[in-house]
Amino acid sequence: EVQLVESGGGLVQPGGSLRLSCAASGFTFSSSWMGWVRQAPGKGLEWVANIKQDGKEKYYVDSAKGRFTISRDNAKSLLFLQMNSLRAEDTAVYYCARHAYFVFDFWGQGTMVTVSS
Amino acid sequence: DIQMTQSPSSLSASVGDRVTITCRASQSTSSYLNWYQWKPGKAPKLLIYGASSLQSGVPSRFSGSGSGTDFTLTISSLQPEDFATYYCQQSYSIPWTFGQGTKVEIK
Repeated sequence: EVQLVESGGGLVQPGGSLRLSCAASGFTFSSSWMGWVRQAPGKGLEWVANIKQDGKEKYYVDSAKGRFTISRDNAKSLLFLQMNSLRAEDTAVYYCARHAYFVFDFWGQGTMVTVSS
Repeated sequence: DIQMTQSPSSLSASVGDRVTITCRASQSTSSYLNWYQWKPGKAPKLLIYGASSLQSGVPSRFSGSGSGTDFTLTISSLQPEDFATYYCQQSYSIPWTFGQGTKVEIK
C-alpha cells in the first residue's frame, strides 16, 4: 500500500523558515517523480514544486522560486521542502504527492503551515 | 500559464442524481487533464487521468470526457460518499494548474 506521511508543519513568523518532510513507503521511491501541492485555507489546490527521480531536475511555481527548495533522499525514501522567507500567503496545508506520468496519483494527508506574527 | 476554470463553483444534488462538472482551459491541453476528489482532512484522490481514463479502484459511476480546452466530469448516480469538492488539473505544461474547485453538496 502506498503511503505518504508529511511532517514538519507549524507556526512560523513572517520571514522565517521551515523544512517539511514526507516519508514514502509502499512503492519504489527512487523511481518516482515527486511533488508538493498546497491548499490555502478556504482556497483551491496549487502546485508548488516537483523533483525528478535522481534529484537533478526541479521545477517550481513562480511564487516559490528563490525561496523554496525541493530535495530528496532516495536511500531513506524521504522528500523535503525547505521554505525560507515565508510570507502570510504561504499559509496552507502542504501535501506531498507522487507524480507519475503527468498525474499526481497518490497524496499524503498534508501538514499545516501557518505564517503569522 | 494555463488557466483552468471550473463550473459551477458549487452545486446541490440528491443521492441518485446525475452530476456534470465542466472544466475549461485557457489554451489547449490536449488530453492532459486530470480530475481529483477532495474531502476536508483527507488526502486528495485521483479519479480520472488523461481526460477519460478511470483510475484503478475508482467506481465506474465516475467518467471523464473532452479534449483540447473543454472537459467534463460526470457522476452517473450520486452516492452519499461522493459529496466532496472536485478539482480539474492540467498536466500539459508547467506550472501544473488546477481549477478553483466544484463543491458538491447535499440537496
